[in-house]
Amino acid sequence: AQSVTQPDIHITVSEGASLELRCNYSYGATPYLFWYVQSPGQGLQLLLKYFSGDTLVQGIKGFEAEFKRSQSSFNLRKPSVHWSDAAEYFCAVATTSGTYKYIFGTGTRLKVLA
Amino acid sequence: NAGVTQTPKFRVLKTGQSMTLLCAQDMNHEYMYWYRQDPGMGLRLIHYSVGEGTTAKGEVPDGYNVSRLKKQNFLLGLESAAPSQTSVYFCASRLRVGETQYFGPGTRLLVL
Repeated sequence: AQSVTQPDIHITVSEGASLELRCNYSYGATPYLFWYVQSPGQGLQLLLKYFSGDTLVQGIKGFEAEFKRSQSSFNLRKPSVHWSDAAEYFCAVATTSGTYKYIFGTGTRLKVLA
Repeated sequence: NAGVTQTPKFRVLKTGQSMTLLCAQDMNHEYMYWYRQDPGMGLRLIHYSVGEGTTAKGEVPDGYNVSRLKKQNFLLGLESAAPSQTSVYFCASRLRVGETQYFGPGTRLLVL
């Protein structure tokens, strides 16, 4: 069965520090991969997505993610975190056949220290 | 272009009461989804629809029903609310396979 694992429930970084959020997936083929961000009390906003091609994808707000097929990973990175990046981040996998569902990880809550 | 909207934003129910949550999208999307979000559990798919007149069960469908009579609307019904259904409910839609999924702002439901 397909699944998405975000091993870090909480991460705290200082403003200006670099950030990496981990995401591992289980899927029989190469899935579509997404990172969403959710600010408190808000819906989910798409940061970036990977469908095919270049394995390093750029997103909004200075985020990027790298798809590594050999590790079944799609980690999210940002070189310098801003206080406004404090939010919850969700990795998601979309199946590419059958029911075409999205499967979400349980999320990583990011806290940014001033 | 309003995107995905949800009605109501917040609701309090007593155990056993019924209600309907409305999701509307103005992007002519084929696929629509209902999720619930609970602390530490991420988003779990309740029901989804791949087109007008079609619905299917997701990961946690028990206690919910849905209808998609019009392409732009996807209704989620609770026939007899239970405290375990206290959650934040998100609707989402997308145009076709592989396209980005867009989310509504959520409905916060409290069942007493």
